[in-house]
Amino acid sequence: AQSVTQLGSHVSVSEGALVLLRCNYSSSVPPYLFWYVQYPNQGLQLLLKYTTGATLVKGINGFEAEFKKSETSFHLTKPSAHMSDAAEYFCAGSTRDSSYKLIFGSGTRLLVRP
Amino acid sequence: GAVVSQHPSRVICKSGTSVKIECRSLDFQATTMFWYRQFPKQSLMLMATSNEGSKATYEQGVEKDKFLINHASLTLSTLTVTSAHPEDSSFYICSGDVAGLNNEQFFGPGTRLTVL
Repeated sequence: AQSVTQLGSHVSVSEGALVLLRCNYSSSVPPYLFWYVQYPNQGLQLLLKYTTGATLVKGINGFEAEFKKSETSFHLTKPSAHMSDAAEYFCAGSTRDSSYKLIFGSGTRLLVRP
Repeated sequence: GAVVSQHPSRVICKSGTSVKIECRSLDFQATTMFWYRQFPKQSLMLMATSNEGSKATYEQGVEKDKFLINHASLTLSTLTVTSAHPEDSSFYICSGDVAGLNNEQFFGPGTRLTVL
């Protein structure tokens, strides 16, 4: 069965510092992978996604993620944190069949210190 | 593009009443719509998947008679929480996907349900 694991329920960084949010997946076939951001009392906004092709994926707001099959990972990074990046981040995966279901990680709350 | 709306954004109801939440895809036709539930400080849990004109497929543990889903068209799905109880209080989020976009889902802003 597929699962998505996010290491660290909270990550705190200083403004301007590197952001690294970890995500590992478990499945026999590499899934499609997504990172979403959620601001308080709002829905989810897609940051980036990996389907096929280039393993380094660039998204909105300066975020990027690298798909590493050997490590079954899809970590999210941003070189320089901004105060507006403070939010909840969810990694999600879906199988490559027709079920179209997303399996979400538990989420990581990013705190950005001034 | 790919905007999903939900109505209402917040609802407070008395225990035992029913509440209907609408989910609309505003600028695309959603092949499939999904309903999620999110408890405070937790992740999203898929409740059910629905295709237009078909019965919804519920995830294990979700009571289909309590959470009624109707998918009347390619742009509208509704979730009705019947005989709501305080434990049904939660944040409900819908999403829709588009065939051919590698399972990408577009999410609504969510509905905060509080049952007194």
